[in-house]
Parts: sequence; C-alpha cells; structure tokens
Amino acid sequence: DIAMTQSPDSLAVSLGERATINCKSSQSILYSSRNKNLLAWYQQKPGQPPKLLIYWASIRESGVPDRFSGSGSGTDFTLTISSLQAEDVAVYYCQQHFSTPLTFGGGTKVEIK
Amino acid sequence: EVQLLESGGGLVQPGGSLRLSCAASGFTFDNYAMSWVRQAPGKGLEWVSTIKDSGSTTYYADSVRGRFTISRDNSKNTLYLQMNSLRAEDTALYYCGKTIIGITSYFFDYWGQGTLVTVSS
Repeated sequence: DIAMTQSPDSLAVSLGERATINCKSSQSILYSSRNKNLLAWYQQKPGQPPKLLIYWASIRESGVPDRFSGSGSGTDFTLTISSLQAEDVAVYYCQQHFSTPLTFGGGTKVEIK
Repeated sequence: EVQLLESGGGLVQPGGSLRLSCAASGFTFDNYAMSWVRQAPGKGLEWVSTIKDSGSTTYYADSVRGRFTISRDNSKNTLYLQMNSLRAEDTALYYCGKTIIGITSYFFDYWGQGTLVTVSS
C-alpha cells in the first residue's frame, strides 16, 4: 500500500499571504510512460463533503480559482494557495490515484492568522 | 448539475447489517466508475470501495473486504453498499463519489453529502 503523509497538520496564515501544504508518498506515484504524477488534492470545508481541487498533481479542476496550484513529482508534492482568502479556511487532503488501495493523507487544517 | 444523494444510514448493533444507497443524477451514470469513501467522526478520509462502470469489476479496502459488497443498478442510476458484520470502527459518514479513472487508478470529482452509520450497542 502507498502511504501518504501530509505536513503540517495545521497552519495559520494571514489573509492575502501564501499557504503551502506538503504531501509525501511512500513510493513514487509518477506514471513514467505518460510523465504524469497521479495525485489529487481536495478541500473540505466544515460540514461539507470534500471538493476536488487538483488531479495529476497539477491540473486544476474546472472552476477552481487560480490561486490554488499543485506541484511536485515522484514522492514529494505541494499544494499552494498563493493569496489566502477567508473562504479558503478548510482541511486539505492529498490522495494518490496510482494504485488501489486508494490512500489519503491525514489532512492539513488551514486557518486565518 | 451532478447530484449524488446517499441514504440508508442509521444506528445498528455490532454484527448487524445495513444497505446504503446513492441515487445519481446529472450525468450518464453507466459511463462512470463509482465509489464509497468514509470519514469517521473528527477524522480523515478513508477509501472503502470502487466499482467500474459496467459493474464487472470491484475493489475493496482490506478493512472491509469480505464484509462489504458494492454494487450498482445502471437502470436505476443507483449505487449500493451492503454492509454486513458491522463493527464499532465502521462508524463513519459514508460518502458516495463519482469516480474518474486517473490513468491507472481513481479519484473523485463529485461527492454526495454523506449518510451517517453508527455501530453501537
């Protein structure tokens, strides 16, 4: 099984500042023949289901604001919120879509400082 | 607009059974894999099971294999999860997810609001 580890567990960022969340997989999730990293990011606001933000590590889902970006390759990945807005307060999860069992990171809670 | 509406959750004793349903609309149901993902109270997300579009292939987490059965009725645009031999650790909010094949495996582009399963005596 591929284990996913997120850091930090929580972070507080001032409005308009950058938020950076890290996700590490226990083995490479790079699909070499297509040079794609098979990682998704989700946002879960309180009392709501998760929402897909990014897949293939860096492809933004339709309708997701461009302040959200994903990067990384192999085993190390980052979700960046370039300018934090009040509506971005949420827990963020990474998930590998390389193999079953599908596995999620433990989540990172983002709050306003 | 994609809509996923879960139902069937409730309070059940350890060892009991429940069947969850997920009614889908707003997309061509039989073109997509579907999944169940759960979230224990105050905890993170845990994948439970995925079924391919035709229903011919299913996948399970080790924690539920042999106790849970995923199925679908494409004529009714409905996904199911039959849960047997329930344990306290199965207590969670169960989400239904429209599932996308991300080359070799799956991710979820739409989620329902969830149905709560509580296993307790």
